[in-house]
Amino acid sequence: SAVISQKPSRDICQRGTSLTIQCQVDSQVTMMFWYRQQPGQSLTLIATANQGSEATYESGFVIDKFPISRPNLTFSTLTVSNMSPEDSSIYLCSAPGTGGTEAFFGQGTRLTVV
Amino acid sequence: AQSVTQPDIHITVSEGASLELRCNYSYGATPYLFWYVQSPGQGLQLLLKYFSGDTLVQGIKGFEAEFKRSQSSFNLRKPSVHWSDAAEYFCAVVGGGYQKVTFGTGTKLQVIP
Repeated sequence: SAVISQKPSRDICQRGTSLTIQCQVDSQVTMMFWYRQQPGQSLTLIATANQGSEATYESGFVIDKFPISRPNLTFSTLTVSNMSPEDSSIYLCSAPGTGGTEAFFGQGTRLTVV
Repeated sequence: AQSVTQPDIHITVSEGASLELRCNYSYGATPYLFWYVQSPGQGLQLLLKYFSGDTLVQGIKGFEAEFKRSQSSFNLRKPSVHWSDAAEYFCAVVGGGYQKVTFGTGTKLQVIP
Protein backbone atom coordinates (compact mmCIF):
# COMPACT_ATOMS: atom_id res chain seq x y z
CA SER A 1 0.00 0.00 0.00
CA ALA A 2 0.97 3.65 -0.26
CA VAL A 3 0.51 6.29 2.39
CA ILE A 4 -0.20 9.73 1.01
CA SER A 5 0.07 12.87 3.10
CA GLN A 6 -1.59 15.98 1.83
CA LYS A 7 -1.50 19.49 3.21
CA PRO A 8 -3.09 21.75 4.05
CA SER A 9 -6.14 19.74 5.03
CA ARG A 10 -8.32 22.79 4.62
CA ASP A 11 -8.03 26.48 3.88
CA ILE A 12 -10.17 29.52 3.39
CA CYS A 13 -8.76 31.87 0.79
CA GLN A 14 -9.59 35.25 -0.68
CA ARG A 15 -10.61 35.41 -4.30
CA GLY A 16 -7.80 36.37 -6.62
CA THR A 17 -5.13 34.66 -4.52
CA SER A 18 -3.40 31.33 -5.10
CA LEU A 19 -3.01 28.24 -2.95
CA THR A 20 -0.41 25.51 -3.30
CA ILE A 21 -1.34 22.03 -2.11
CA GLN A 22 1.40 19.57 -1.29
CA CYS A 23 1.27 15.81 -1.67
CA GLN A 24 3.87 13.44 -0.25
CA VAL A 25 3.95 9.69 -0.95
CA ASP A 26 5.83 7.26 1.27
CA SER A 27 7.26 5.40 -1.71
CA GLN A 28 8.58 6.28 -5.13
CA VAL A 29 5.93 6.41 -7.82
CA THR A 30 6.19 7.39 -11.44
CA MET A 31 2.70 8.79 -11.79
CA MET A 32 0.68 10.93 -9.44
CA PHE A 33 -2.81 12.23 -10.07
CA TRP A 34 -4.72 15.28 -8.94
CA TYR A 35 -8.51 15.24 -8.62
CA ARG A 36 -11.15 17.80 -7.84
CA GLN A 37 -14.37 17.03 -6.02
CA GLN A 38 -16.82 19.87 -6.24
CA PRO A 39 -19.54 20.08 -3.57
CA GLY A 40 -21.94 17.17 -3.92
CA GLN A 41 -20.10 15.83 -6.96
CA SER A 42 -17.89 12.93 -7.85
CA LEU A 43 -14.17 13.14 -8.43
CA THR A 44 -12.85 14.58 -11.65
CA LEU A 45 -9.29 14.11 -12.79
CA ILE A 46 -7.44 17.39 -13.21
CA ALA A 47 -4.09 16.13 -14.42
CA THR A 48 -1.53 13.37 -14.37
CA ALA A 49 1.88 14.34 -13.03
CA ASN A 50 4.83 12.30 -14.24
CA GLN A 51 8.22 12.92 -12.75
CA GLY A 52 10.57 14.49 -15.26
CA SER A 53 7.95 15.68 -17.71
CA GLU A 54 5.16 18.20 -18.02
CA ALA A 55 1.86 17.30 -16.43
CA THR A 56 -0.92 16.07 -18.69
CA TYR A 57 -4.17 17.97 -18.20
CA GLU A 58 -7.67 16.70 -18.77
CA SER A 59 -10.17 18.54 -20.88
CA GLY A 60 -11.39 21.64 -19.10
CA PHE A 61 -8.26 22.12 -17.02
CA VAL A 62 -5.30 24.27 -18.02
CA ILE A 63 -1.80 24.70 -16.74
CA ASP A 64 -2.17 28.44 -16.12
CA LYS A 65 -4.99 27.80 -13.68
CA PHE A 66 -3.64 24.59 -12.10
CA PRO A 67 0.14 24.52 -12.39
CA ILE A 68 1.67 21.30 -11.12
CA SER A 69 5.17 20.53 -10.01
CA ARG A 70 6.73 17.09 -9.72
CA PRO A 71 10.29 17.58 -8.53
CA ASN A 72 10.93 13.97 -7.50
CA LEU A 73 9.33 10.54 -7.30
CA THR A 74 7.65 11.09 -3.93
CA PHE A 75 6.32 14.62 -4.08
CA SER A 76 4.00 16.84 -6.09
CA THR A 77 2.26 20.17 -5.71
CA LEU A 78 -0.90 21.56 -7.25
CA THR A 79 -1.48 25.29 -7.28
CA VAL A 80 -4.94 26.73 -7.67
CA SER A 81 -4.31 30.14 -9.19
CA ASN A 82 -6.33 33.34 -9.22
CA MET A 83 -9.05 31.67 -7.22
CA SER A 84 -12.75 32.37 -7.46
CA PRO A 85 -15.62 30.94 -5.38
CA GLU A 86 -16.18 28.36 -8.13
CA ASP A 87 -12.84 26.81 -7.15
CA SER A 88 -14.23 25.86 -3.75
CA SER A 89 -13.81 22.08 -3.76
CA ILE A 90 -11.93 19.22 -2.24
CA TYR A 91 -8.67 18.55 -4.03
CA LEU A 92 -7.17 15.08 -3.73
CA CYS A 93 -3.93 13.61 -4.86
CA SER A 94 -3.55 9.98 -5.73
CA ALA A 95 -0.79 7.52 -6.43
CA PRO A 96 -0.73 3.87 -7.43
CA GLY A 97 0.26 1.19 -5.00
CA THR A 98 2.89 -1.45 -5.57
CA GLY A 99 2.16 -3.19 -8.84
CA GLY A 100 0.30 -0.15 -10.11
CA THR A 101 -3.09 -1.84 -9.90
CA GLU A 102 -4.89 0.33 -7.43
CA ALA A 103 -5.02 3.95 -6.43
CA PHE A 104 -4.41 5.38 -3.01
CA PHE A 105 -5.63 8.79 -2.02
CA GLY A 106 -4.61 11.53 0.31
CA GLN A 107 -7.13 12.87 2.80
CA GLY A 108 -7.84 15.81 0.55
CA THR A 109 -7.65 19.57 0.86
CA ARG A 110 -10.96 21.29 1.47
CA LEU A 111 -10.69 24.70 -0.16
CA THR A 112 -13.19 27.49 0.39
CA VAL A 113 -12.81 30.68 -1.62
CA VAL A 114 -14.54 33.78 -0.30
CA ALA B 1 -13.29 5.75 -23.28
CA GLN B 2 -14.08 4.10 -19.99
CA SER B 3 -17.07 5.22 -17.96
CA VAL B 4 -18.94 4.25 -14.81
CA THR B 5 -22.62 4.64 -14.01
CA GLN B 6 -24.09 4.53 -10.55
CA PRO B 7 -27.83 4.83 -11.12
CA ASP B 8 -28.77 5.43 -7.50
CA ILE B 9 -27.88 8.86 -6.14
CA HIS B 10 -29.33 8.27 -2.68
CA ILE B 11 -30.26 5.06 -0.88
CA THR B 12 -31.82 4.76 2.56
CA VAL B 13 -31.80 1.47 4.42
CA SER B 14 -32.64 0.43 7.94
CA GLU B 15 -29.87 -0.70 10.21
CA GLY B 16 -29.54 -4.46 9.96
CA ALA B 17 -31.07 -4.62 6.50
CA SER B 18 -29.19 -5.84 3.46
CA LEU B 19 -27.67 -3.45 0.96
CA GLU B 20 -26.89 -3.52 -2.73
CA LEU B 21 -25.35 -0.59 -4.56
CA ARG B 22 -25.37 -0.77 -8.32
CA CYS B 23 -22.50 -0.04 -10.65
CA ASN B 24 -22.28 -0.44 -14.41
CA TYR B 25 -19.12 0.17 -16.36
CA SER B 26 -18.10 0.64 -19.95
CA TYR B 27 -14.69 -0.49 -21.06
CA GLY B 28 -13.46 -2.34 -24.12
CA ALA B 29 -11.33 -4.92 -22.37
CA THR B 30 -11.28 -6.48 -18.94
CA PRO B 31 -11.32 -3.61 -16.49
CA TYR B 32 -9.92 -3.19 -13.06
CA LEU B 33 -12.89 -2.34 -10.85
CA PHE B 34 -12.97 -0.74 -7.44
CA TRP B 35 -15.33 0.40 -4.76
CA TYR B 36 -14.31 3.30 -2.54
CA VAL B 37 -16.07 4.76 0.47
CA GLN B 38 -15.90 8.38 1.55
CA SER B 39 -17.16 9.28 5.00
CA PRO B 40 -18.12 12.90 5.66
CA GLY B 41 -15.04 15.08 5.72
CA GLN B 42 -12.76 12.16 4.98
CA GLY B 43 -10.67 10.98 2.08
CA LEU B 44 -11.32 7.89 0.02
CA GLN B 45 -10.89 4.41 1.42
CA LEU B 46 -10.66 1.36 -0.79
CA LEU B 47 -13.30 -1.24 0.07
CA LEU B 48 -12.43 -3.86 -2.50
CA LYS B 49 -11.13 -4.43 -5.99
CA TYR B 50 -11.48 -6.85 -8.86
CA PHE B 51 -8.80 -7.64 -11.40
CA SER B 52 -9.40 -11.22 -12.48
CA GLY B 53 -10.27 -14.65 -11.18
CA ASP B 54 -13.13 -15.27 -8.80
CA THR B 55 -15.93 -12.90 -9.73
CA LEU B 56 -17.10 -12.56 -6.13
CA VAL B 57 -14.63 -10.47 -4.20
CA GLN B 58 -14.55 -9.82 -0.50
CA GLY B 59 -13.58 -6.50 0.96
CA ILE B 60 -13.22 -4.76 4.25
CA LYS B 61 -16.03 -3.99 6.68
CA GLY B 62 -18.07 -6.98 5.53
CA PHE B 63 -18.60 -5.75 1.98
CA GLU B 64 -18.49 -7.91 -1.12
CA ALA B 65 -18.98 -7.25 -4.81
CA GLU B 66 -19.72 -9.43 -7.79
CA PHE B 67 -18.32 -8.87 -11.26
CA LYS B 68 -20.73 -9.85 -14.01
CA ARG B 69 -19.16 -9.43 -17.41
CA SER B 70 -22.40 -10.19 -19.29
CA GLN B 71 -24.11 -7.30 -17.52
CA SER B 72 -21.07 -5.01 -17.30
CA SER B 73 -21.84 -4.69 -13.62
CA PHE B 74 -19.94 -4.67 -10.36
CA ASN B 75 -22.54 -4.32 -7.63
CA LEU B 76 -21.58 -3.86 -4.01
CA ARG B 77 -23.40 -5.79 -1.30
CA LYS B 78 -23.52 -6.11 2.44
CA PRO B 79 -25.82 -8.54 4.24
CA SER B 80 -26.42 -6.37 7.31
CA VAL B 81 -25.83 -2.64 7.35
CA HIS B 82 -24.49 -0.82 10.39
CA TRP B 83 -25.12 2.84 11.20
CA SER B 84 -21.41 3.51 10.66
CA ASP B 85 -21.79 2.50 7.01
CA ALA B 86 -23.53 5.79 6.26
CA ALA B 87 -21.24 7.43 3.73
CA GLU B 88 -20.83 8.00 0.04
CA TYR B 89 -19.76 5.09 -2.12
CA PHE B 90 -17.93 5.41 -5.40
CA CYS B 91 -17.48 2.75 -8.02
CA ALA B 92 -14.42 3.22 -10.20
CA VAL B 93 -12.74 1.66 -13.20
CA VAL B 94 -9.13 1.66 -14.35
CA GLY B 95 -8.02 0.49 -17.75
CA GLY B 96 -5.59 -2.38 -18.21
CA GLY B 97 -2.27 -1.42 -16.77
CA TYR B 98 -2.26 1.51 -14.43
CA GLN B 99 -4.03 4.50 -15.90
CA LYS B 100 -6.25 7.20 -14.54
CA VAL B 101 -9.18 6.20 -12.38
CA THR B 102 -12.63 7.05 -13.67
CA PHE B 103 -15.23 7.41 -10.94
CA GLY B 104 -18.96 7.02 -10.95
CA THR B 105 -21.12 9.81 -9.64
CA GLY B 106 -21.42 8.18 -6.24
CA THR B 107 -24.25 6.82 -4.11
CA LYS B 108 -25.02 8.39 -0.76
CA LEU B 109 -26.10 5.84 1.78
CA GLN B 110 -28.28 6.84 4.70
CA VAL B 111 -28.85 4.34 7.50
CA ILE B 112 -31.89 4.77 9.71
CA PRO B 113 -32.36 3.15 13.13
